[in-house]
Amino acid sequence: DTAVSQTPKYLVTQMGNDKSIKCEQNLGHDTMYWYKQDSKKFLKIMFSYNNKELIINETVPNRFSPKSPDKAHLNLHINSLELGDSAVYFCASSQDNRPNTEAFFGQGTRLTVV
Amino acid sequence: AQSVAQPEDQVNVAEGNPLTVKCTYSVSGNPYLFWYVQYPNRGLQFLLKYITGDNLVKGSYGFEAEFNKSQTSFHLKKPSALVSDSALYFCAVRSRSYNTDKLIFGTGTRLQVFP
Repeated sequence: DTAVSQTPKYLVTQMGNDKSIKCEQNLGHDTMYWYKQDSKKFLKIMFSYNNKELIINETVPNRFSPKSPDKAHLNLHINSLELGDSAVYFCASSQDNRPNTEAFFGQGTRLTVV
Repeated sequence: AQSVAQPEDQVNVAEGNPLTVKCTYSVSGNPYLFWYVQYPNRGLQFLLKYITGDNLVKGSYGFEAEFNKSQTSFHLKKPSALVSDSALYFCAVRSRSYNTDKLIFGTGTRLQVFP
C-alpha cells in the first residue's frame, strides 16, 4: 500500500535505447511531478501535472516525454538515452498545486546508461 | 528568482547533542518553506513546513525549524540527536508571489551523528 510507487527501481540500459519509468500514487492527489537527482544529489524539477494537465515543463530535452493517462499515474518515457541521463528519477505527488502543500516522493528509479 | 542555500555540505554531531542544519532562502514575496530528509537509497520524506503564524515549527521525529524573516533563514534543529538521524537533509522553498508549484531545493546537507 505504498503511497507513491515507481517501477522499476533500477534500470540499466545502453545508449540510444528508449525506456519508460512508471509512477502511480494512491493518495487521491491532483498534482504529480518528476524530479531528477544527479550524482551530486542536486534535485531539479522536470515536469508537473495537475489533473492530467501539464503545468510545468522545465528546460528538459524533448527526448523526455511525460504522459499522464489519469491523475493517479504519471509515466516518463525517454528516447535515445544518453550517458548524461544517468541519475535517480523521483516521482512525487501533492494534494493540489497550491504552493503550501507538501510533496510525497516515491523511492526513486536509478537509471544507469552505459 | 527563487533560491535556497544550504551552506554546509556536512554536519557532524555526537549523539545526544543538539543539532542545527542551516538554510537560507531568497524569494520575491513571502515564502513557503519545507524540510525533507532522504535516507540512503530512499525517496525524500517530508519533515515540516512553514506557512504562516508561529515562527517555530515542529515536525516529525522531534525536529523543529525556526523561520527568521529578517535573516531569511529557516534552520532545522533538534535538541538531542540520534544516530538514526544520520541522513541527507534538504531545505526547499516556494513563493506565494508565483502561481506555480515549482519547489526549489537546496543542495542538501549530510548529517552524520556519531555514537
